[in-house]
Amino acid sequence: KQEVTQIPAALSVPEGENLVLNCSFTDSAIYNLQWFRQDPGKGLTSLLLIQSSQREQTSGRLNASLDKSSGRSTLYIAASQPGDSATYLCAEVSGGSYIPTFGRGTSLIVHP
Amino acid sequence: GAVVSQHPSRVICKSGTSVKIECRSLDFQATTMFWYRQFPKQSLMLMATSNEGSKATYEQGVEKDKFLINHASLTLSTLTVTSAHPEDSSFYICSARHPTSGSYEQYFGPGTRLTVT
Repeated sequence: KQEVTQIPAALSVPEGENLVLNCSFTDSAIYNLQWFRQDPGKGLTSLLLIQSSQREQTSGRLNASLDKSSGRSTLYIAASQPGDSATYLCAEVSGGSYIPTFGRGTSLIVHP
Repeated sequence: GAVVSQHPSRVICKSGTSVKIECRSLDFQATTMFWYRQFPKQSLMLMATSNEGSKATYEQGVEKDKFLINHASLTLSTLTVTSAHPEDSSFYICSARHPTSGSYEQYFGPGTRLTVT
């Protein structure tokens, strides 16, 4: 069974800091990896999707990288803002089932 | 595009009753939908894969007679929690796989908060 681990579990930073959220996975046959944002009591908002053939994806202040050989992905958030406060989940999609396996998430608080 | 809705967003029911949750893909047809369950401060746990026109595939440990899934059309899947108990209280999220997405990307609904009293 695939496992996805996210570190740290929680993070509290002052506004303006650059952040790195980590995601590690055990699947050697990864198809893609996706980062989501979840606000309290809400559903998931897709942030970035990286195909297994890609190394990174960027959207605005967000940059996600993928290293299949080490089984790791990182989400980089530049110049954090209070509005970035949320839980960030990564999900790895296996090439066999095409069903995502989620990590437990990193709870981020950016205070003014 | 690629919007998924869920109804209701919140529901409170008494123990022993049944509750139906709807998941709709609003602007695309989804042959495959997924149902997840999320406990507080926990990740999403896949409950079942719902395929249009066929029986759902349940994950290990999920009672198929308790969590009834019906995917009668290409835009609608329903999850019925039968004889609900307080331990069924949770956040239920559905997702739909876009048929033309070569990346097998899933689009998620906003979730349904179920509270069983």
